[in-house]
Amino acid sequence: EPEVTQTPSHQVTQMGQEVILRCVPISNHLYFYWYRQILGQKVEFLVSFYNNEISEKSEIFDDQFSVERPDGSNFTLKIRSTKLEDSAMYFCASSARGVGGFSGNTIYFGEGSWLTVV
Amino acid sequence: DQQVKQNSPSLSVQEGRISILNCDYTNSMFDYFLWYKKYPAEGPTFLISISSIKDKNEDGRFTVFLNKSAKHLSLHIVPSQPGDSAVYFCAASRQYGGSQGNLIFGKGTKLSVKP
Repeated sequence: EPEVTQTPSHQVTQMGQEVILRCVPISNHLYFYWYRQILGQKVEFLVSFYNNEISEKSEIFDDQFSVERPDGSNFTLKIRSTKLEDSAMYFCASSARGVGGFSGNTIYFGEGSWLTVV
Repeated sequence: DQQVKQNSPSLSVQEGRISILNCDYTNSMFDYFLWYKKYPAEGPTFLISISSIKDKNEDGRFTVFLNKSAKHLSLHIVPSQPGDSAVYFCAASRQYGGSQGNLIFGKGTKLSVKP
């Protein structure tokens, strides 16, 4: 069964350092997303990406964050200067179509990248 | 601002019996709802979904019911199996034309199915 894959599974970084989290979405999917879950809290939407541009972002996704699809298969999340509060599990996800309305589409999540900022 | 609420943090059920997980929402613009299952240190796994034009959707042991007037949905698992033990998240999508995947999640309900 096709799946979303993420690397690394776990990264420890010092505060202020740049981090890049990588994802390979499901191959025929067109919509890509990043979510995060701080320990003990809800899964939260960060950003959606379609047709090589950001289509929607949350207030969490500030100027420290950026996303990129550098080639035909990878989708990356960059945190420019990490803060302690960025420590969380980051989930990449993808879908064949946009979600909402009556499209009945589904978002599939990867296993997550656990980021620890020290 | 809890637009999606799962008021029961945990639920314990005997194997073979029915598990009923509940979810309430406040935003009437939501038009698509999903249930995900999550094990520790893993990503959410899609289980079942329902559009607001329906009131029931069934897939094997899993059935989701939607009551739009009450802004309530529930996930029924029958019969429950020990392998169903996990955290279950309800998620909702807003009614934007071509909404781009901003799922609003509840806090989750931890289901324990005892042999």
